[in-house]
Amino acid sequence: DTGVSQDPRHKITKRGQNVTFRCDPISEHNRLYWYRQTLGQGPEFLTYFQNEAQLEKSRLLSDRFSAERPKGSFSTLEIQRTEQGDSAMYLCASSPGQGAREQYFGPGTRLTVT
Amino acid sequence: SQQGEEDPQALSIQEGENATMNCSYKTSINNLQWYRQNSGRGLVHLILIRSNEREKHSGRLRVTLDTSKKSSSLLITASRAADTASYFCATDGGGSNYKLTFGKGTLLTVNP
Repeated sequence: DTGVSQDPRHKITKRGQNVTFRCDPISEHNRLYWYRQTLGQGPEFLTYFQNEAQLEKSRLLSDRFSAERPKGSFSTLEIQRTEQGDSAMYLCASSPGQGAREQYFGPGTRLTVT
Repeated sequence: SQQGEEDPQALSIQEGENATMNCSYKTSINNLQWYRQNSGRGLVHLILIRSNEREKHSGRLRVTLDTSKKSSSLLITASRAADTASYFCATDGGGSNYKLTFGKGTLLTVNP
């Protein structure tokens, strides 16, 4: 299966701890996106990369959040000093760019902050 | 913030019936996309319609777009139990802005 993969699928952490999620996009997709989804809502955009460059960050992405995409391949999303409000599904998506607008989503990482 | 609003929020039908979901959005768009989300396969792209198109078909899916009313509809014909899922419309910023803005979704339940 050469789809988008995310790791871990589930993460339970205590408030105040740091967590890091990983996303592996479809190979050769140069665009990678992070979204956050809470229960009963649609996904909300967090940030995106074109190759290794982070081109846009949402205001939802507070200073406690940081994302990287070294070498333009996989990406990591780190949340420092987690809060209960960070509990959500974190979705990663990729797209080939070059005018193709549809995005391919991974299964998501469900974060629960206790 | 959510760009689109799907209507209805929830829809329950019998297998074989047609299902229609609507989406309204706020700003001008270059294209509108529909996605499906279920627990088994996550969020999957279904169809994209460009702003200069009025209708598009893909298998049992039919999408319409009315840019004057800033609305779109998704019709699923001859529904199956496997169509049970949440359906979202999404728009992007156009040009080099690919980020998607989703609505809240319609939860479709198809009863066997």
